[in-house]
Amino acid sequence: KAGVTQTPRYLIKTRGQQVTLSCSPISGHRSVSWYQQTPGQGLQFLFEYFSETQRNKGNFPGRFSGRQFSNSRSEMNVSTLELGDSALYLCASSLTSGVQETQYFGPGTRLLVL
Amino acid sequence: DQQVKQNSPSLSVQEGRISILNCDYTNSMFDYFLWYKKYPAEGPTFLISISSIKDKNEDGRFTVFLNKSAKHLSLHIVPSQPGDSAVYFCAAPLNSGYALNFGKGTSLLVTP
Repeated sequence: KAGVTQTPRYLIKTRGQQVTLSCSPISGHRSVSWYQQTPGQGLQFLFEYFSETQRNKGNFPGRFSGRQFSNSRSEMNVSTLELGDSALYLCASSLTSGVQETQYFGPGTRLLVL
Repeated sequence: DQQVKQNSPSLSVQEGRISILNCDYTNSMFDYFLWYKKYPAEGPTFLISISSIKDKNEDGRFTVFLNKSAKHLSLHIVPSQPGDSAVYFCAAPLNSGYALNFGKGTSLLVTP
């Protein structure tokens, strides 16, 4: 069974640009969560989608947005990039069983903002 | 506001000895805790969990202890192996759904 895939794996952008990251969950998984990992803040929750609806949202500015498609694939978008947005962005998908350990992470997209 | 805290950024242990990683939490409503392990260039992988109705959960070399009165949990790895060298994250679920509150992680180095 294929794992969670994220594209692209690496990305370099400049301040003020916008970026779109993609996540394909494990087949059959309907929940997709996004996290930002930085050295100073650790892993911080961005948002969670379930069946195309945003179910939870973390404490990030409105420049960070996301969506989920009918096939459960998800994208997140960051507009007007800032230097502080440089981070590893992780996507995780989950079964619908409600058991927490079924959250599987992708390898992440490393974003560098210059 | 960090509701899950890992106050030790790093830990070095000799192979064969015990590794103890600590985690504190502030939200008394948390009733389920997880530990994830992360290697460089990979996403975190689930390691072990514990429900608040228990004070201990064991899985092979890994044991998690929960002290609800102190709002503290710890992960014990016995014996430690060089392959255990990774960053370990403590996490607790958000109010609903599958999203998680993570600590900042503890980098474990197991030396031969």
